[in-house]
Amino acid sequence: NAGVTQTPKFQVLKTGQSMTLQCAQDMNHEYMSWYRQDPGMGLRLIHYSVGAGITDQGEVPNGYNVSRSTTEDFPLRLLSAAPSQTSVYFCASMRDFSDTQYFGPGTRLTVL
Amino acid sequence: GDSVTQMEGPVTLSEEAFLTINCTYTATGYPSLFWYVQYPGEGLQLLLKATKADDKGSNKGFEATYRKETTSFHLEKGSVQVSDSAVYFCALSDRTPLVFGKGTRLSVIA
Repeated sequence: NAGVTQTPKFQVLKTGQSMTLQCAQDMNHEYMSWYRQDPGMGLRLIHYSVGAGITDQGEVPNGYNVSRSTTEDFPLRLLSAAPSQTSVYFCASMRDFSDTQYFGPGTRLTVL
Repeated sequence: GDSVTQMEGPVTLSEEAFLTINCTYTATGYPSLFWYVQYPGEGLQLLLKATKADDKGSNKGFEATYRKETTSFHLEKGSVQVSDSAVYFCALSDRTPLVFGKGTRLSVIA
């Protein structure tokens, strides 16, 4: 099992550009989440999904879109990148919220 | 809403020292409690968890006990090693997405 995979590992964008961060899991988990990690802020939830076709907003959803068309994939879209979105992004999957979350290796995004 | 507060770091210890990282939580229900660890350049991984009051989670020499009366889940290890250097996150879930503390960076020096 590959677990949770994320691509790309690193990305540099210019302000106003759009891009999609990819996340995939091969554990057949229904629940998936996106977090951003900023120094001194811990991890903050952006969006989450409890199954294909079902998504909801987390603590910091503005500027991001998600969709969940399959159980395996949960891409995160930045619509118009801003310097405030410079961060490390982690995707996670789990069987349910009270179970172990499995994290991907992260994507380090810099917006100039 | 639910929240987690953990001691601010960084924490620097000598090898074989005793470690305590304090974590307290606020929740309206009966959450599950977790400690996650992040090694340099990696994603988070579960260290231990407890799902009900008085449960003790343990792994790799680390322990934490779910104390409902003090709403705490302090992480302890009797003798730390250089390889324990990492960032430690306390978190809770009450059938909701995880709520994390801000993390505590631990550095262990030989």
